[in-house]
Amino acid sequence: DAGVIQSPRHEVTEMGQEVTLRCKPISGHNSLFWYRQTMMRGLELLIYFNNNVPIDDSGMPEDRFSAKMPNASFSTLKIQPSEPRDSAVYFCASSSTGTYNEQFFGPGTRLTVL
Amino acid sequence: DAKTTQPTSMDCAEGRAANLPCNHSTISGNEYVYWYRQIHSQGPQYIIHGLKNNETNEMASLIITEDRKSSTLILPHATLRDTAVYYCIVRVATSGTYKYIFGTGTRLKVLA
Repeated sequence: DAGVIQSPRHEVTEMGQEVTLRCKPISGHNSLFWYRQTMMRGLELLIYFNNNVPIDDSGMPEDRFSAKMPNASFSTLKIQPSEPRDSAVYFCASSSTGTYNEQFFGPGTRLTVL
Repeated sequence: DAKTTQPTSMDCAEGRAANLPCNHSTISGNEYVYWYRQIHSQGPQYIIHGLKNNETNEMASLIITEDRKSSTLILPHATLRDTAVYYCIVRVATSGTYKYIFGTGTRLKVLA
């Protein structure tokens, strides 16, 4: 298995532009999580899905952030419009529903908003 | 809010055991303790987890106190490649799945 796949790995954009981050979870996993990591705030859980349904988006910082999971093998995190303070590493993780369901993390997308 | 408290940083000599403590005094009876580590800016990597018994795998050992209010991750023979940030996490059940609440972690530096 290739693990959790995220794209792009690096994104540099200008303030005001729309940014879309993509994630392909591990096949067979039915929970998907989006995190953001910054030096100041550490690792923050933004939103998570179970069986493609958003369960809790209380971690999403503002209405500029949105996430979708149209099917079991794909999810997007969109920022529109982007701001410099959105610069961070964004991680996607997936897990199966089971007693020992560890989360598997992707390599992350490093976003820089100028 | 994080349910765990860890020291900010620790040093360990190469070849020696690294003992990383974690406090989770508000843990509930059915909540597991998970440990992950993050090397540089890579995605966090699973190490080990436990409920109330001590656990061991090829990477580490996990010692959980009888009252479950604290635990210790043990890397038996630390190497330079074990230099990383180590996160102790309480896994919380929610709406058919589980979520992690990450704390600030312990930055472990293994010294040659």
